[in-house]
Amino acid sequence: EVQLVESGGGLVQPGGSLRLSCAASGFTFSNYWMSWVRQAPGKGLEWVASIKQDGSEKYFVDSVKGRFTISRDNAKNSLYLQMNSLRAEDTAVYYCAREGGSSTPPLMGMDVWGQGTTVTVSS
Amino acid sequence: SYELTQPPSVSVSPGQTASITCSGHKLGDEYVCWYQQKPGQSPVLVIYQDNKRPSGIPERFSGSNSGNTATLTISGTQAMDEADYYCQAWDSSTEVFGGGTKLTVL
Repeated sequence: EVQLVESGGGLVQPGGSLRLSCAASGFTFSNYWMSWVRQAPGKGLEWVASIKQDGSEKYFVDSVKGRFTISRDNAKNSLYLQMNSLRAEDTAVYYCAREGGSSTPPLMGMDVWGQGTTVTVSS
Repeated sequence: SYELTQPPSVSVSPGQTASITCSGHKLGDEYVCWYQQKPGQSPVLVIYQDNKRPSGIPERFSGSNSGNTATLTISGTQAMDEADYYCQAWDSSTEVFGGGTKLTVL
């Protein structure tokens, strides 16, 4: 079964750091672009970051540039999001998603999603 | 930054056709995807590359994209289709989602 399982969410104070992980299974992880998407409480979806199959290209939404880092370990079938200098507006459910297709950028949509992990930034 | 605009809400009667629009500058030059999200659940891809359906998505879901507007059409709408719908496209090296449309099946 194709599956993505996020972990690492929690409560953190403003200015703090958190590292999210996403464990992939049921498919050849190294063949796919991967992305993080977040959803603030009661709000819509917001793309956060994407990483190419071999990690050689990484893209970020402007609001997290310089604060968040995306990485992957293809040997461990895992995707990561390192979040530093967290702000209240980063509070959201964070989803890991597989990007369909192998082109750059991938143009077949996010075809597999995890269940999400909740990040709350509050003092 | 690139923006995609969707109507906040659309209502449809069961069995009728629902159309949800997504507008953006020269959007027709980009591939558009559509996602369905039901309360408490993760999003599901229902249309990619403007008009292609992933495996398992019912034929009543279709899409089009031309000019500045992409449209998701649900024919013979069912109660189970009530959900939030989001369009999405790539602009240069960023992905953009529309604000979402709540589809109500009355």
